[in-house]
This record gives sequence, C-alpha cells and structure tokens, in this order.
Amino acid sequence: GAVVSQHPSWVICKSGTSVKIECRSLDFQATTMFWYRQFPKQSLMLMATSNEGSKATYEQGVEKDKFLINHASLTLSTLTVTSAHPEDSSFYICSAHFGSGGSTDTQYFGPGTRLTVL
Amino acid sequence: AQSVTQLDSQVPVFEEAPVELRCNYSSSVSVYLFWYVQYPNQGLQLLLKYLSGSTLVESINGFEAEFNKSQTSFHLRKPSVHISDTAEYFCAVSVKAAGNKLTFGGGTRVLVKP
Repeated sequence: GAVVSQHPSWVICKSGTSVKIECRSLDFQATTMFWYRQFPKQSLMLMATSNEGSKATYEQGVEKDKFLINHASLTLSTLTVTSAHPEDSSFYICSAHFGSGGSTDTQYFGPGTRLTVL
Repeated sequence: AQSVTQLDSQVPVFEEAPVELRCNYSSSVSVYLFWYVQYPNQGLQLLLKYLSGSTLVESINGFEAEFNKSQTSFHLRKPSVHISDTAEYFCAVSVKAAGNKLTFGGGTRVLVKP
C-alpha cells in the first residue's frame, strides 16, 4: 500500500516554544491530508483538513492560530504547534487521502509523532 | 454529524478463540464504514472497509465485518485469533460529501493470551 511518513517520530520541547511536524506521502500525491490528535488510550480526534494550495479547514474547538497547517505541495503538509504548553502533549497523526473520489479512495496514515512539552 | 460507538474498550481473548468487536454508528446520511488496526507503536492501518454492495467484507488476514443497516452496526469478527492480532482496533465512518473526513470510535484493545 501507499506510504505516509511523519517527522519527527517524537519530540520533546520546552513550554513556549514552537514545534513543526511534517507529513509526507512518499509514493503518491495527496491533495487532501488530515491531522488528528490522539490522547493516551483514547481515539483519534480530527483537528483539521489540509488542502493543497488553500487554507486548512479546522474542526470546531481547534485553535487555528495555535495549530498552523501548511500544505505547500501535493506530498507535504506541516503542522506547527505554536507556543506549546504541557496540555498540548499528545500523539499527532496525519493521513493522506489517496484517490479521486471513487470507490477505491483510501486514507493512509502516518506512524504518528509523539509531542511532549515540558 | 456522525458518531461511532465501540461498546468494548478491552477484549481479552485466548489464542485460537474467536473474537467479535462491536461497532455501532449514528448518521442521518449514508456512510462508508471502516475498521483500522493500530499495532503497538505503529500507525493506523486499514483492515477492511464497506462502501457498497455485499454487506459482508473480508480482510486478507482472516477478519470479516458485516454491515447491518437496520441495526446501524458494523461488527468485526475473526474465528480464530493469533498472538499477533494483539492491537487496538478502531471503527470509523465517513461521509463522502463531507470530504472523506473520518469519525472514529473510541477503540477496542484486543489482548490475545497464549
């Protein structure tokens, strides 16, 4: 199947700093990528939809100025957690949409990035 | 809006025994249904999906799920589990008109014991 990578796989930062997480589709182009957040032993919560060449669409309750999303190319989306605080510590997962609207469309998930804010 | 409920947060099961993971959903429009598996320290992988057609869908590693529209369910089953099936399983739905966004259930942790 298609491969989606995330970098870094884990990061520790000090409170108040910003952290950038990259999501790449390695062998296909993705006009749409999604960013999720997963708390320990909980499910994935969709944060935002990242669209190549346009602004991201954020889910209700997600601060767009805190979680900056840039989808600069068809294979790369970045999530920047600005002025991170301990409550932002979580597992961040991206997915890339593969397909053109047909029955074979699938989301491929990255391995996730664990963020710990001290 | 859609919602997904996975009734069991944890399911312990002995090796070679059958397992069923329950999933119910709520939606005012037609949905696509998915099961994803997350092995320890790994990302989510698609296990199987229902888009249309036959209500029984199968995966390559012995899992199957049946879409029941009247009961709004999409339960996952495997007749005989292996140790390697130990993982977290997530049921999810999407609405094509909503840009293929996935709504996940809370997950079911399957622990296969020898």
